[in-house]
Amino acid sequence: EDQVTQSPEALRLQEGESSSLNCSYTVSGLRGLFWYRQDPGKGPEFLFTLYSAGEEKEKERLKATLTKKESFLHITAPKPEDSATYLCALYPKTGANNLFFGTGTRLTVIP
Amino acid sequence: DAGVTQSPTHLIKTRGQQVTLRCSPKSGHDTVSWYQQALGQGPQFIFQYYEEEERQRGNFPDRFSGHQFPNYSSELNVNALLLGDSALYLCASSYGTPRAEAFFGQGTRLTVV
Repeated sequence: EDQVTQSPEALRLQEGESSSLNCSYTVSGLRGLFWYRQDPGKGPEFLFTLYSAGEEKEKERLKATLTKKESFLHITAPKPEDSATYLCALYPKTGANNLFFGTGTRLTVIP
Repeated sequence: DAGVTQSPTHLIKTRGQQVTLRCSPKSGHDTVSWYQQALGQGPQFIFQYYEEEERQRGNFPDRFSGHQFPNYSSELNVNALLLGDSALYLCASSYGTPRAEAFFGQGTRLTVV
């Protein structure tokens, strides 16, 4: 059965304290892994797409990496405005056109 | 570019009523997907429309139906509303291959009382 698990569920960081969020998955065939940021009551905002193991992408203080079993979202020197829920999603198998989401990591960055 | 727009932003309905939510995709996008997000959960796939046809459906009952118009905009209809249908309903648009990035609207918060 396809599964996407994100950890931790919640994370509190001091401003400037770097950390990583994890997205582990077991799927029949990965066709793409996506990271989204979601602010309360708003729709998810696209951050990154990763397609193959070893791939990395960066945007400002965020860096996403992908292995065959998991993806990490590294946050370097976070600021309070980085506070949000970070969602991991993927296309789980050949023929499926829908994104399969994890439950997210709720990040709070304290000034 | 206005991105993906959804209307209304908030809605309160009574149990048993029917509701229609609307979505305009990002310019240049031809595929619209609908998701339901309960509080504290990740979005759950409802269905996807492409070329005015339902291309794929998630594990939702027939009370949930949709439509796509020639201009690629879409509607989500929910009949016989239940309290458990209260959620944030998200529309996502994309173009081309199934691996394309999906961009989301701001969502419609539906409350069933």
